[in-house]
Amino acid sequence: NAGVMQNPRHLVRRRGQEARLRCSPMKGHSHVYWYRQLPEEGLKFMVYLQKENIIDESGMPKERFSAEFPKEGPSILRIQQVVRGDSAAYFCASSPPGTPNNEQFFGPGTRLTVL
Amino acid sequence: KQEVTQIPAALSVPEGENLVLNCSFTDSAIYNLQWFRQDPGKGLTSLLLIQSSQREQTSGRLNASLDKSSGRSTLYIAASQPGDSATYLCAVDNYGQNFVFGPGTRLSVLP
Repeated sequence: NAGVMQNPRHLVRRRGQEARLRCSPMKGHSHVYWYRQLPEEGLKFMVYLQKENIIDESGMPKERFSAEFPKEGPSILRIQQVVRGDSAAYFCASSPPGTPNNEQFFGPGTRLTVL
Repeated sequence: KQEVTQIPAALSVPEGENLVLNCSFTDSAIYNLQWFRQDPGKGLTSLLLIQSSQREQTSGRLNASLDKSSGRSTLYIAASQPGDSATYLCAVDNYGQNFVFGPGTRLSVLP
């Protein structure tokens, strides 16, 4: 059973470009969470999704950021018109169905660098 | 609003020592608490999960305790090894919400 997969592992973008980060949850998991870790800071929650639904996006910046978890395929975190302050490690976690508060399993992260 | 703190921020010990990492949280209405390990430039590895109804969990040389009423958890590492060097993160799961992470304790175990 493969763990949570994220790709790409490293992503370089120039200011103003778009960044798309992908997350494939563990097999059988239907809850996906995105977290951001800024340099020298702790992990901060961004968004919690179930299949085709955004459950909690209280941690998402109001502009330029969006997330989806379609019925088929991976979850996508999309950042439009990236700025240098978006440079960070973005982690995805998944948990099994049922209550949303089971153990979360984390992917290896995508490290975004904005030039 | 839940806030999580961890003490100490950094710790350096000689190999073989037993050590305790501390985690405190402000809102005791938690569903579970999870301890993670993060190696530099890497993702998070889950170490132990304690449900709110539990007092402690053990895995190998690791033991985590939870005292909800006082808002505290400790991670005990026995007979530390250089391979234990990493940042240890405590995360609290509020009901129906997301994980709130502490800032971490950076551990160095010297050979």
